[in-house]
Parts: sequence; structure tokens; C-alpha cells
Amino acid sequence: GAVVSQHPSWVICKSGTSVKIECRSLDFQATTMFWYRQFPKQSLMLMATSNEGSKATYEQGVEKDKFLINHASLTLSTLTVTSAHPEDSSFYICSAREAGGGGYTFGSGTRLTVV
Amino acid sequence: AQSVSQHNHHVILSEAASLELGCNYSYGGTVNLFWYVQYPGQHLQLLLKYFSGDPLVKGIKGFEAEFIKSKFSFNLRKPSVQWSDTAEYFCAVREGSSTLGRLYFGRGTQLTVWP
Repeated sequence: GAVVSQHPSWVICKSGTSVKIECRSLDFQATTMFWYRQFPKQSLMLMATSNEGSKATYEQGVEKDKFLINHASLTLSTLTVTSAHPEDSSFYICSAREAGGGGYTFGSGTRLTVV
Repeated sequence: AQSVSQHNHHVILSEAASLELGCNYSYGGTVNLFWYVQYPGQHLQLLLKYFSGDPLVKGIKGFEAEFIKSKFSFNLRKPSVQWSDTAEYFCAVREGSSTLGRLYFGRGTQLTVWP
């Protein structure tokens, strides 16, 4: 079945630095990818929707200059957390929408800790 | 915006017990409904989905869900749980008319099954 690879699975960075998270669809083309943030014991909160070759659509309250999303190809989307702060520490999950729009495949998530 | 409610935050059962996890949503129009499972340390996996047709949907691993439009509900059921069903379960809703295809998630239900 469809597989989405998300890397890294965990990362620790210093406050003020930037971190890039990659999301790849391994055996299918994903025209649309979604980035979520998950807090402990809470739901997945959609941050943005990215379409290949166009600018991402950010949800209300998500800083587009802080969370840079690039979807340059049909198999790769990246999320860059710029000038990270401890409050950005969270679990980030990507998801790719399969061709035909039926289902979604999720990455295994990235645990970001900013110290 | 949609809201998705999962009223049970943590359910604890013994093996062979029956399971029902509640899910209610707020959107009054056509919806597509999903249940996902997240095993510890793994990505979200699709258990089942409903788009149209028979409101009783059968999924993998013996799970099923029933869409009751009048109650805005899509409850997940399993007649006899196993220890291996211990995981976090998420209900998700997509507006049927949505071109972006974003999902709205409930906050999740942690299921613990004791052997």
C-alpha cells in the first residue's frame, strides 16, 4: 500500500535555530500534503495544506513565516521551523492525499524538542 | 468549522470485552468519515471509512462503524477486543464538498486492553 516516509523521527535543536522536516510519498504521487501538529493528549491540529507547485494554505493562527512549507515535487514536501523556540516543541505529522482523493497516508511523525 | 467529539478519552477493557467508541461531528452537509488507529510509536493507520452507501462499514481487524446521520455519529465497534488492540483511536471527518480535502480530527481515545 501507499507509504509516506517522514524524517527525522525525532530532533533536538537549540533555541533560535531552524529545523527541516521531510515528508516523502514513496510509491505514489501526492498532489496534496497536509502538516499537522499534535499536542499530548490532544487532537491533530492542521497547520497547513500544501499543493505541489503552489503556495501552502495555512490555517488561522499559524505563522507562515515561522513554519515554511515547500512542496516542490509530487513526492516531497518539507516543513521548516524557523527560529525555533521551546514552545514549538511538539509532535509534527505529515499526511499525503492519495490520487483520486479517497484516502490519506500518514507519516510516522517527528518529535521536535527545542532547548 | 467542523468540530469532532470523541467523548471517551481513555477506555480500559479486558480481553474479549466488547468495544464501542463514540464519535460525533457538527457539519450538517455531506460528510466523509474515517477512523484511524495509532499504535505506540507508529503512524496513523486507516481502520475504515465511510463515503456513501451502507451506513454499516466493516474495516480491518474486526472493527466496524455505523454512520447515523440523524445523530451526526460514527461510532466504532468491535465485538471482542484483544490485547493487541491497545492503541489510540482517532475519528476524522471531511466535508463531502471540500476541494481541499482537509480532515478534522477528534482528540482521540486511548484504548488499553488488559490480557
